Amino acid sequence: ELKVEQNPLFLSMQEGKNYTIYCNYSTTSDRLYWYRQDPGKSLESLFVLLSNGAVKQEGRLMASLDTKARLSTLHITAAVHDLSATYFCAVELEGNTGNQFYFGTGTSLTVIP
Amino acid sequence: GAVVSQHPSRVICKSGTSVKIECRSLDFQATTMFWYRQFPKQSLMLMATSNEGSKATYEQGVEKDKFLINHASLTLSTLTVTSAHPEDSSFYICSAKRTGVHHGYTFGSGTRLTVV
Repeated sequence: ELKVEQNPLFLSMQEGKNYTIYCNYSTTSDRLYWYRQDPGKSLESLFVLLSNGAVKQEGRLMASLDTKARLSTLHITAAVHDLSATYFCAVELEGNTGNQFYFGTGTSLTVIP
Repeated sequence: GAVVSQHPSRVICKSGTSVKIECRSLDFQATTMFWYRQFPKQSLMLMATSNEGSKATYEQGVEKDKFLINHASLTLSTLTVTSAHPEDSSFYICSAKRTGVHHGYTFGSGTRLTVV
């Protein structure tokens, strides 16, 4: 059974600080996605990482993928309040009926002014 | 482009009744659609994968007779929660895979189901 674990589950940080969210998964995959979810809302796509060593950046967020370590990171630089949300990683696997997504446990981020 | 419309966004129903949720890809064809359930402050759990024109594949522990999935066209999949009970109250989200587009997944806006 595939496990996708995120660390930490809850994160409270001050504005202006940096922090990293980790996503570990238990089986081989080279396709990893990051999403943001605001309360009561659906998912907003942040990054798609498709190969070992992939790094993508958008604004204050940067995501990377190490397929050998089965690890992805989401780094937050100089956090601002608007980044408060829940962040999910998701691993894409090939299945008998097509590809499937398995989501991580989620990281609830609160940025304090 | 790549918009998925999910309807309704919120629904309240009485115990024992059935509720249908629609997931429609507006500007692309989706051979495969996925249905997820999310309980408060938890992650998204894959319930089933539906392929157009064939039976859905359910994840372990998901009752196929309770959660009926129909994917009759390339742009529409429906999830029907039959004989709903309060424990079925949850946030249901669909996702559509764009046919012929690698890694092209788009999520619907979600449906908040409350069973009273």
